[in-house]
Amino acid sequence: NAGVTQTPKFQVLKTGQSMTLQCAQDMNHEYMSWYRQDPGMGLRLIHYSVGAGITDQGEVPNGYNVSRSTTEDFPLRLLSAAPSQTSVYFCASSYVGRDNYGYTFGSGTRLTVV
Amino acid sequence: AQKVTQAQTEISVVEKEDVTLDCVYETRDTTYYLFWYKQPPSGELVFLIRRNSFDEQNEISGRYSWNFQKSTSSFNFTITASQVVDSAVYFCALSEMYYGNNRLAFGKGNQVVVIP
Repeated sequence: NAGVTQTPKFQVLKTGQSMTLQCAQDMNHEYMSWYRQDPGMGLRLIHYSVGAGITDQGEVPNGYNVSRSTTEDFPLRLLSAAPSQTSVYFCASSYVGRDNYGYTFGSGTRLTVV
Repeated sequence: AQKVTQAQTEISVVEKEDVTLDCVYETRDTTYYLFWYKQPPSGELVFLIRRNSFDEQNEISGRYSWNFQKSTSSFNFTITASQVVDSAVYFCALSEMYYGNNRLAFGKGNQVVVIP
């Protein structure tokens, strides 16, 4: 059981380039989300989804795009990378409203924008 | 408005001392969950504990213990007899079922440094 898989683990982008961070889960979780972690800021929510076809913005959505065409996948797209998007990105998934409620996190993607 | 506040940023203790991490949360929901996560230097997020809003029973698990008090909106975490392997960043997090639509909100974290 793989849990939550994030790819790539490391990435360097030039300013203005676009890319997609991949996130896949095999636990049939309804809820998936993306966070970014910056020093001294904790983890901040970028976008989230409560099911296939449903997405919504989190705390820091600007410059990012998401879609949820399947239950398993929740890719995060950087439309035009900026140095301010240098961060560590985590994907998480969870059941919703059940007794075994809890979030499973991927291992993270370290992104550097130069 | 910040929903989860972890006031201490960095805490240094000598090995075998106890360390308590404070977490204060804010919510309108009557149904919510509170979590503690550990992030060691390797970077992954390790789940430690979950409590729902209807379960104020405090718990001890090995060297870890938790104190959940709804009256003061606090969910504090204690490491007893700290060890060097406890050096990590610890995050408190809140998930609100209704108003929060299951989103998980984190505090800024406590950097714990255990000095041998």
